[in-house]
Amino acid sequence: DGGITQSPKYLFRKEGQNVTLSCEQNLNHDAMYWYRQDPGQGLRLIYYSQIVNDFQKGDIAEGYSVSREKKESFPLTVTSAQKNPTAFYLCASIPAGGSAYGYTFGSGTRLTVV
Amino acid sequence: AQKVTQAQTEISVVEKEDVTLDCVYETRDTTYYLFWYKQPPSGELVFLIRRNSFDEQNEISGRYSWNFQKSTSSFNFTITASQVVDSAVYFCALSDPNSGGSNYKLTFGKGTLLTVNP
Repeated sequence: DGGITQSPKYLFRKEGQNVTLSCEQNLNHDAMYWYRQDPGQGLRLIYYSQIVNDFQKGDIAEGYSVSREKKESFPLTVTSAQKNPTAFYLCASIPAGGSAYGYTFGSGTRLTVV
Repeated sequence: AQKVTQAQTEISVVEKEDVTLDCVYETRDTTYYLFWYKQPPSGELVFLIRRNSFDEQNEISGRYSWNFQKSTSSFNFTITASQVVDSAVYFCALSDPNSGGSNYKLTFGKGTLLTVNP
């Protein structure tokens, strides 16, 4: 079945560590997105990519980095510069021509700083 | 700047009651899309509906219905005869016209937590 796979489901990070969240899609979608969700908050855009080897900062990009070397993959690295990384992270994708069904979302990664 | 406001943080109803989730948006663009998503406890967001700014017809899908009113910049969502399985966080979202083409960014409201009690 086509979809978006995010891994791991739960991730624990020590202070000062970088961690990478995986996002893989087999939908042949061109555009991919990373959102952060905090309790009681909406989703806030971190980074997005419309084509391979190109990506743009979203509203809260500081302390995060991404790469888009393959169409299927859009990993997010949470760096030690991100002061409050504990959150739920969602990856999404959509075809180049858009979709009547909006984004397809992954099941998320819950990151906790210990 | 675009903004989506979901004033209801939490709603609790008893099964079989009807419930309406409010969504008010702000945009200066004349062409945009509005969305509703459902987020069950599992965490994944599930698409419910997309409405474009030129289509003000109300939509009904089973127990779900949506009322889009451009005059009041609202896109409200009603669940008729609610069920326990409807318990989730519901998000309203607005497309970003500046992102170009159809690879649009979405601005999300903060969500409404709906709890349906048996």
